[in-house]
Amino acid sequence: GENVEQHPSTLSVQEGDSAVIKCTYSDSASNYFPWYKQELGKRPQLIIDIRSNVGEKKDQRIAVTLNKTAKHFSLHITETQPEDSAVYFCAAPVSGSARQLTFGSGTQLTVLP
Amino acid sequence: DVKVTQSSRYLVKRTGEKVFLECVQDMDHENMFWYRQDPGLGLRLIYFSYDVKMKEKGDIPEGYSVSREKKERFSLILESASTNQTSMYLCASSHGTLNEKLFFGSGTQLSVL
Repeated sequence: GENVEQHPSTLSVQEGDSAVIKCTYSDSASNYFPWYKQELGKRPQLIIDIRSNVGEKKDQRIAVTLNKTAKHFSLHITETQPEDSAVYFCAAPVSGSARQLTFGSGTQLTVLP
Repeated sequence: DVKVTQSSRYLVKRTGEKVFLECVQDMDHENMFWYRQDPGLGLRLIYFSYDVKMKEKGDIPEGYSVSREKKERFSLILESASTNQTSMYLCASSHGTLNEKLFFGSGTQLSVL
């Protein structure tokens, strides 16, 4: 099945700096890559996703880039704020499945004031 | 807004007990999922269902079963709870295929003593 590796597991940045989280996947046929954010004590929520026909997608301070050749995708958060502190999960489709996702192990982002 | 409701926020059970975790969604979603969340391991899929009475195994189905008698309700069953099943359990639902986002419940923290 699909294997998704996520790095780093923890990340601390100063408020206002940028944060980057990277994920690699194994199935070259994968075509959909979402990112979920889980604040402490809350449920995961989709924050951005990208499909394989584009290389980058932006939504205000967050962006996702996709390198299909290298089979990796990254989440970029600019001008970080304390409310960005959370666990972030990347995901990719399970090989051969139209409905299942496999998730990365998560990154605990802490934005220091 | 889509609501995915899990019946219990916290649950404490004894080893060997049969445990039922209930999940209800109110948006007529075809797909429903049960994930287990453990620190450093991300979200691991236990079972999912794409229609009433249909179920498919995820990555870690051992020790679990599921039931989907009605479209809005998906139950996770631990036939004989064990201490290694102590975890946070998250239910999720989605419409259609992978291009639709997952809506998560708020989770059930299960402790098996």
